[in-house]
Amino acid sequence: QVQLVQSGGEVKKPGASVKVSCKASGFTLSDYNYFMFWVRQAPGQGLEWMGTISPRSGSANYAPKFQDRVALTSDTSTDTVYMELTRLRSEDTAFYYCARTLSSGYYYGDFWGQGTLVTVSS
Amino acid sequence: ETVLMQSPATLSLSPGERATLSCRASQSVGSNYFAWYQQKPGQAPRLLIYGTSSRATGIPDRFSGSGSGTDFTLTINTLEPEDFAFYFCQQYESSPLTFGGGTKVEIK
Repeated sequence: QVQLVQSGGEVKKPGASVKVSCKASGFTLSDYNYFMFWVRQAPGQGLEWMGTISPRSGSANYAPKFQDRVALTSDTSTDTVYMELTRLRSEDTAFYYCARTLSSGYYYGDFWGQGTLVTVSS
Repeated sequence: ETVLMQSPATLSLSPGERATLSCRASQSVGSNYFAWYQQKPGQAPRLLIYGTSSRATGIPDRFSGSGSGTDFTLTINTLEPEDFAFYFCQQYESSPLTFGGGTKVEIK
């Protein structure tokens, strides 16, 4: 069955960077039918899309809010995608989720990772 | 950016009742490009509905979606104890992808 397993929680200081991984099983990231996106959820808040990546090609598009601070990458040899967020600030404290979506333009998330809590604190 | 406003913020109902959740978009969204998710505390979102009215795999038929243009609805017929949770809508027609602020369905 499809599973997305994310890396564990992180505690970072303001100004640092964080890199969260998301390992897929039950399907392969080389499959051209699938993209992956990342969203975040601050405590008690709603969901905020950060960006979407085509794991097969490595190309990504980002939400304007995160354009200059986020990078999505993929390693199809290990079926893993990564989200790196730089220049962290306290407002970046949130759960970060990866999700599988379709490459056909219907970008809903049909399977989700368990979430990774990133805490930014001095 | 398409802003999605969900109402009500909280819905207090008893098991067995019907829940009607609303999501209003700031601009028209094509019916193929609208989804609903359920999220329970400490868990990731779970896809319920995509394409406005198509149920995701394994979703019971007491969940149904409807709507068009700027107004979309998620209906849960005969609430079960496991249905008390948060619900989010999403549009995926235009970038950036956007989500509503959520509706909490709580036990009355």
